[in-house]
Amino acid sequence: GAVVSQHPSRVICKSGTSVKIECRSLDFQATTMFWYRQFPKQSLMLMATSNEGSKATYEQGVEKDKFLINHASLTLSTLTVTSAHPEDSSFYICSARAELRADYGYTFGSGTRLTVV
Amino acid sequence: AQTVTQSQPEMSVQEAETVTLSCTYDTSESDYYLFWYKQPPSRQMILVIRQEAYKQQNATENRFSVNFQKAAKSFSLKISDSQLGDAAMYFCASNQGGKLIFGQGTELSVKP
Repeated sequence: GAVVSQHPSRVICKSGTSVKIECRSLDFQATTMFWYRQFPKQSLMLMATSNEGSKATYEQGVEKDKFLINHASLTLSTLTVTSAHPEDSSFYICSARAELRADYGYTFGSGTRLTVV
Repeated sequence: AQTVTQSQPEMSVQEAETVTLSCTYDTSESDYYLFWYKQPPSRQMILVIRQEAYKQQNATENRFSVNFQKAAKSFSLKISDSQLGDAAMYFCASNQGGKLIFGQGTELSVKP
């Protein structure tokens, strides 16, 4: 079945530094990838949608300059949290979808717990 | 705005019993899919069941089934013969404009 690998699973960084999170589709070509943020006991909030080779589309209220998304290939998307601050601490999850899948299959990564100290 | 609403923050069920989780949604699209996802403590999102909106027949996957009422925009999940491993957060979701939009979630606990 479709597998999405997300790394790292946990990261602790100092305030003011940048952190990169990778999301890879291992056995299919992901034409579209999605990035979500989840606070404890809350739902997944969509941050942005990225299509291979084009700029990401950000949801309202998400800072483009803080959350940089790159989808340079059909198997890799990255989320970079720039100049991280403690309020950016959260659980980040990626999801990938293959356009050719008629069943609208969405495959999720295992998530990244970011702690900014 | 297109929304997905889960009005039950928490539910509890006795092992081997049946429980139903509620979900309503709002969409302007004519062709869409609805999903139920399970998120255990590991936080890995696991697809439980999927329903195509143009299919009238309710989807079923082993102990999991849905009651899809298109006119009412309702999409509930029934878990039969509940097991301890079913304890998790359950999210209802709808794909809208290609994006997956989630409800607030229902935390299900299973009592032995």
